[in-house]
Amino acid sequence: DGGITQSPKYLFRKEGQNVTLSCEQNLNHDAMYWYRQDPGQGLRLIYYSQIVNDFQKGDIAEGYSVSREKKESFPLTVTSAQKNPTAFYLCASTSRTGLHQPQHFGDGTRLSIL
Amino acid sequence: AQSVTQLDSHVSVSEGTPVLLRCNYSSSYSPSLFWYVQHPNKGLQLLLKYTSAATLVKGINGFEAEFKKSETSFHLTKPSAHMSDAAEYFCVVSDPLSGGYNKLIFGAGTRLAVHP
Repeated sequence: DGGITQSPKYLFRKEGQNVTLSCEQNLNHDAMYWYRQDPGQGLRLIYYSQIVNDFQKGDIAEGYSVSREKKESFPLTVTSAQKNPTAFYLCASTSRTGLHQPQHFGDGTRLSIL
Repeated sequence: AQSVTQLDSHVSVSEGTPVLLRCNYSSSYSPSLFWYVQHPNKGLQLLLKYTSAATLVKGINGFEAEFKKSETSFHLTKPSAHMSDAAEYFCVVSDPLSGGYNKLIFGAGTRLAVHP
């Protein structure tokens, strides 16, 4: 079955530590996205990538970094500069351009501070 | 700028009764609108989408939504709630990015509880 796989499901970060969240898709989608979800709020866009080796900042990129070396993979690093990293992180992808295109989501990674 | 407002943070219904989840949007042009559902600790699943073809949109699991331009609303309904419908629901509007792709603007969500 095609889909988006996020790992790990749960992740804990110590003070001053960088952590990397994995996102892999086998849907052959061009565009990939990272969102952050906080309790009682909708999702907010962190970074997106429309093509390999290119990515753009979203609305809340500070304290995060990404790479897009392969079409299938879009890992997110939460750096020590992100002072409030506790949240649920969701990866998404879409196949084509246009406003009508929905995005497909992975099952998320829950990040907590130790 | 595009935005969505979900008018209720929590809705509680009895099993077998109708469901109404309210959403108002703001858009500077003809919008594309979506409803997604999220079960606990899971990703989001697309319920339905409005793309200007028809104002009444039917989705999965018996849900439907009606686009009303005059009221800038896109309310989600279901005639008869089932216990498995208990989840968080997000109303979403699409916003264009450079390069032709879109980003999604999310409402804050409505948590639906279904009681026996």
